[in-house]
Amino acid sequence: QITLKESGPTLVKPTQTLTLTCTFSGFSLSTSGVGVGWSRQPPGKALEWLALIYWDDDKRYSPSLKSRLTITKDTSKNQVVLTMTNMDPVDTATYYCAHRPVGANYFDYWGQGTLVTVSS
Amino acid sequence: DIQMTQSPSSVSASVGDRVTVTCRASQGISSWLAWYQQKPGKAPELLIYTASSLQSGVPSRFSGSGSGTDFTLTISNLQPEDFATYYCQQANSFPLTFGGGTKVEIK
Repeated sequence: QITLKESGPTLVKPTQTLTLTCTFSGFSLSTSGVGVGWSRQPPGKALEWLALIYWDDDKRYSPSLKSRLTITKDTSKNQVVLTMTNMDPVDTATYYCAHRPVGANYFDYWGQGTLVTVSS
Repeated sequence: DIQMTQSPSSVSASVGDRVTVTCRASQGISSWLAWYQQKPGKAPELLIYTASSLQSGVPSRFSGSGSGTDFTLTISNLQPEDFATYYCQQANSFPLTFGGGTKVEIK
């Protein structure tokens, strides 16, 4: 079955760069049509989509954060990495990675999420 | 960007009730809409995709309808495990956007 798990620091300082890794199993990112996306959720607030990478290395970003985000994949390791530069306290949130199935840009399997706090 | 507006933001209901949540897109998205359920401290779970298709393993008391700009999630015969927050998400175009959420609370 498909599983995903996020890993990375729980605390970062303002202006630092956040690097999160999504390690998955049960599917391959070399399979045509598949993708992995990242979303986040500040405490008590709604979900916000951040980025998506496809099997063919096509990448899409939230326009409001595009200048700060980079998404990459390592197909051999079954990992997707999201980096976000210049972190600010407003970026404090639970960050989720999720599987994008063939044919549509919604997410059918999600990781458990990782809470990242931005504070000095 | 396509804005997704959910209503109500919260609803109080009793076990056995029928609950309806609406989601309106700021422009037409055909049937490219998904619904998720999220419980406190947990990741979202996909309930409905392409507006009305039930995700595998989701109870049949959940149903979705709509197309274009107006969509509905209906929970018939509300069960204790259904008390949660529900989000819609448009999958028509980038950036992907979520609604603000609807919290279904115990009356």
